[in-house]
Amino acid sequence: GAVVSQHPSWVICKSGTSVKIECRSLDFQATTMFWYRQFPKQSLMLMATSNEGSKATYEQGVEKDKFLINHASLTLSTLTVTSAHPEDSSFYICSVRGSRDTQYFGPGTRLTVL
Amino acid sequence: AQSVTQPDIHITVSEGASLELRCNYSYGATPYLFWYVQSPGQGLQLLLKYFSGDTLVQGIKGFEAEFKRSQSSFNLRKPSVHWSDAAEYFCAVRGNEKLTFGTGTRLTIIP
Repeated sequence: GAVVSQHPSWVICKSGTSVKIECRSLDFQATTMFWYRQFPKQSLMLMATSNEGSKATYEQGVEKDKFLINHASLTLSTLTVTSAHPEDSSFYICSVRGSRDTQYFGPGTRLTVL
Repeated sequence: AQSVTQPDIHITVSEGASLELRCNYSYGATPYLFWYVQSPGQGLQLLLKYFSGDTLVQGIKGFEAEFKRSQSSFNLRKPSVHWSDAAEYFCAVRGNEKLTFGTGTRLTIIP
C-alpha cells in the first residue's frame, strides 16, 4: 500500500490566523487524495476530493473558501484552514487513493484554535 | 446513497478471547468493503478489504472478515485478541468513488 505522511502532526494557532497542512504520498504517485475531518470520538467525514492539477471537489456543507485545497503535484496536497476559529479545531486526516481503489491514510493533524 | 452501521459503540474483551465486530452496510450494487483500525491520535490502518470472490477475507494482524450478501454484513473477527488490539475499528463501504465510514467500535482489552 501507499505510505502517506502529514505535516505538522499537531498545531495550535490563534483565532483568525490561517494554517496549512501538508499531505504527502511518499511512494506512490497520487492523482487523487482525500481530506477528512474527525471530531473527538466520532467517525471520519469526507471534506473534499483533491485531484492533481484541477480544482478540488467539496462535499456539501464544506466551505471551499475556508478550506482551501491545492494538489499541485502527484505527491503533495495541502489543506489551508483560513481565518481559523475554535470551531475548526479538529483532527484532519488525508488519504491517498492507491491501487485497486484502496485508500491509504496519513497519521492525521490535530488542529487546536485558541 | 451508501451507509454503514456499526451497532456496537464499545466492546470489552478479555485478552486471549475471541472477537467479533459487527458491520452492516447499505449499497445498491456490489460493495467494496473495508475494515480500518485507528489507535489514539493516529491515522487509519487498513486491516482488510473485500472486492469480490471468496467471501472470507484474511487481513493483517490475524483478523478476518466475512461478507454475507444476504445479511448485508461484513463482520470482523479474530480468534484470540492481544492487548495491542485495543483501538477504534471502522467499517467502510466504497461507493461512487467515496468511502463512507461507520461510527466506529471502540475495543477495550482487559487482562
